[in-house]
Amino acid sequence: DAKTTQPPSMDCAEGRAANLPCNHSTISGNEYVYWYRQIHSQGPQYIIHGLKNNETNEMASLIITEDRKSSTLILPHATLRDTAVYYCILRPNAGNMLTFGGGTRLMVKP
Amino acid sequence: AAGVIQSPRHLIKEKRETATLKCYPIPRHDTVYWYQQGPGQDPQFLISFYEKMQSDKGSIPDRFSAQQFSDYHSELNMSSLELGDSALYFCASSFETGEETGELFFGEGSRLTVL
Repeated sequence: DAKTTQPPSMDCAEGRAANLPCNHSTISGNEYVYWYRQIHSQGPQYIIHGLKNNETNEMASLIITEDRKSSTLILPHATLRDTAVYYCILRPNAGNMLTFGGGTRLMVKP
Repeated sequence: AAGVIQSPRHLIKEKRETATLKCYPIPRHDTVYWYQQGPGQDPQFLISFYEKMQSDKGSIPDRFSAQQFSDYHSELNMSSLELGDSALYFCASSFETGEETGELFFGEGSRLTVL
């Protein structure tokens, strides 16, 4: 059973904010929400992660709902280079591998 | 900054041959992960090592084996190659502090083509 659900694809205009949703209604208390992306045939790239508080870094913002059953990754000003598959992944604390599946293919258009 | 180094970047083999992929993690990283990504598929976890001991095992075929050496580099050995083994193989490394799990840093991958 998939632990996260993401739309298979989304489009975004260049320069606009891209908001990528993720549902994780069965999340456990010790699971972090991780976001990775994979630009075509490159190695997956870490974006951001959080437990329950909203997080922001130089790449993106992560908004986690209070009940932690869903989250949204926000790319504030999408560029063409942000075109990629974005994966929302739940990961327990300490040392577990990432399980990739069912990401969102984001297409940023001029 | 140093990244995860994988070699070779491209490899072509015949069916039933053997291949070895190498991974050099970021300095001071203690955990290595191997992933396989077939055409049009998501990366699939194969196996991981923490401090030179196998820590997790995923969908790694019995024909494959891996190990992590004393200098923390890792090798993935694949024998009796099949056409379906043609894929991108990614290695990732992380530093597991024990308090909060570390992010995985991925290499650029090794593309294996089996003819």
